Amino acid sequence: QQQVKQSPQSLIVQKGGISIINCAYENTAFDYFPWYQQFPGKGPALLIAIRPDVSEKKEGRFTISFNKSAKQFSLHIMDSQPGDSATYFCAASLNYGQNFVFGPGTRLSVLP
Amino acid sequence: DSGVTQTPKHLITATGQRVTLRCSPRSGDLSVYWYQQSLDQGLQFLIQYYNGEERAKGNILERFSAQQFPDLHSELNLSSLELGDSALYFCASSPFGGYEQFFGPGTRLTVL
Repeated sequence: QQQVKQSPQSLIVQKGGISIINCAYENTAFDYFPWYQQFPGKGPALLIAIRPDVSEKKEGRFTISFNKSAKQFSLHIMDSQPGDSATYFCAASLNYGQNFVFGPGTRLSVLP
Repeated sequence: DSGVTQTPKHLITATGQRVTLRCSPRSGDLSVYWYQQSLDQGLQFLIQYYNGEERAKGNILERFSAQQFPDLHSELNLSSLELGDSALYFCASSPFGGYEQFFGPGTRLTVL
């Protein structure tokens, strides 16, 4: 019940296209859902996050869509750029940001 | 740069040995988290400290231990090392009442 599932495992998108990564969870007690971006050799960096009382959050080219009833959330990257090529992790947390559970990650490659 | 520092950047050691990883959180952050990232297990939460006190435990082995000192830096001690302990170890910090976790650059541990 603590697991967060993430798909696809890898994704190849053309420059200018839309990248979509999906996550699903079981534990309805999760109260915070961040997305992290990780470049090779670097630590994960917070990209965007949402709380379950909001259905969508947009920051620049990045949008989180959240479906509480389906227990799913997704990351949309509009106008994908080669610089977006990285591994993306969704996560869910209990207790206001503690006890993060991460999805297995999606390796995104944006072709020039 | 997240403001979280970790030393050393790389560590190579032999099976059966003991190592200590060090983390300095962002200025003012009271919480420190430790994560292990391996290819087959993804990002796994190990342990959290808040202002010197252990707050939460995840998938941390009994051979591993951590502490947070009065100046808020933290150390993760790994003993009786096995080949399977080879991984990236990340430290993250968060402010009081904050949801976001800010990750350091990680320590790459190789056990030969």
